[in-house]
Amino acid sequence: DSGVTQTPKHLITATGQRVTLRCSPRSGDLSVYWYQQSLDQGLQFLIQYYNGEERAKGNILERFSAQQFPDLHSELNLSSLELGDSALYFCASSVGRLSSNSPLHFGNGTRLTVT
Amino acid sequence: QQQVKQSPQSLIVQKGGISIINCAYENTAFDYFPWYQQFPGKGPALLIAIRPDVSEKKEGRFTISFNKSAKQSSLHIMDSQPGDSATYFCAASRVTGGGNKLTFGTGTQLKVEL
Repeated sequence: DSGVTQTPKHLITATGQRVTLRCSPRSGDLSVYWYQQSLDQGLQFLIQYYNGEERAKGNILERFSAQQFPDLHSELNLSSLELGDSALYFCASSVGRLSSNSPLHFGNGTRLTVT
Repeated sequence: QQQVKQSPQSLIVQKGGISIINCAYENTAFDYFPWYQQFPGKGPALLIAIRPDVSEKKEGRFTISFNKSAKQSSLHIMDSQPGDSATYFCAASRVTGGGNKLTFGTGTQLKVEL
């Protein structure tokens, strides 16, 4: 168990809808990352927060947004969903900057299916 | 552009054999190189990591070798077991400077047969 908790585990919704994915990082970790994993794109970095502030942005669509709250949990909001948004969404956390002393730990993901 | 190139895409090895997965890094600024193991239905889990000033790191049956000048690394799994069947990812990031995210390779699906 990595200590990173993601809810829900599965989500099925229709095109055009909006969903919220939730992540609780490992105790003591200040940095939260969101990744998208699809069969044809592999693990794609979406966005990173550190202690409530956005630190890095990847190829995150404008329809997607995220935030990290004062208690350090994070939410990823996906709106105007399209079929192509169906994927596994992973949250990961680290103490600080990624290094041998501060590795990245992943949750078990939320599987999103858009029908 | 793909900054971390991984091969092969899939690999079948007999039990007791050696599994070898290769990774090439396009970004010379990378200085942290972890490998992750992912089982179906689970998130990637850190397997082993190496710094560029180290040429080899071994943890049990798993060994990473790193060639700084060639910007390449390899994961060797000795005495491969059916329980090693999983997807393996190499990754890289910068410890210092901007862009402290992990960039992943496309993954290698390993199947160890009896």
